Amino acid sequence: GENVEQHPSTLSVQEGDSAVIKCTYSDSASNYFPWYKQELGKRPQLIIDIRSNVGEKKDQRIAVTLNKTAKHFSLHITETQPEDSAVYFCAATGFQKLVFGTGTRLLVSP
Amino acid sequence: NAGVTQTPKFQVLKTGQSMTLQCAQDMNHNSMYWYRQDPGMGLRLIYYSASEGTTDKGEVPNGYNVSRLNKREFSLRLESAAPSQTSVYFCASSEFHITNTEAFFGQGTRLTVV
Repeated sequence: GENVEQHPSTLSVQEGDSAVIKCTYSDSASNYFPWYKQELGKRPQLIIDIRSNVGEKKDQRIAVTLNKTAKHFSLHITETQPEDSAVYFCAATGFQKLVFGTGTRLLVSP
Repeated sequence: NAGVTQTPKFQVLKTGQSMTLQCAQDMNHNSMYWYRQDPGMGLRLIYYSASEGTTDKGEVPNGYNVSRLNKREFSLRLESAAPSQTSVYFCASSEFHITNTEAFFGQGTRLTVV
């Protein structure tokens, strides 16, 4: 089955810096790669996703890149703000189900 | 729209007790999922239902059972709770298996087994 690895587990940046979170997956048949943000005590919510026929996607300060050959994808956050502090999860599609990485706790200091 | 609704939000059980976590969605989604979230472990899939009438094991199914009651409802049952089942449980739904779309999560159930 699908296995998703996510790094780093924690990431501390200064406000205004960029943050990058990386994930690898094992199943070459996976074709959908969402990213979820979870604030403390809240439910995970989708922030951006990418499909396997696309190499990069941007939404304001957030971008995702996908390298299907290497089976890895990344989340890039530019001009970080304190409200970006949260846990971020990557995920990949396995057969009929969504498999998550172990999460990255991002802390943005003012 | 309510989206995905889970009950209860909090629960404390004694070892050996049983309970059922309820989940309902009003988005007409075919697929529903139960995940557990533990520190440093991410979201691990317990069981899922790709469509009404089907259920399948996920990564960590031992100690749990599920019922897809109808298209809207998907319940998770702990027959004999153990301290290792202390966790936050999330239900989710999506049209995933058809179009690979967003999964929507419930607000979570924080379960403590003592």
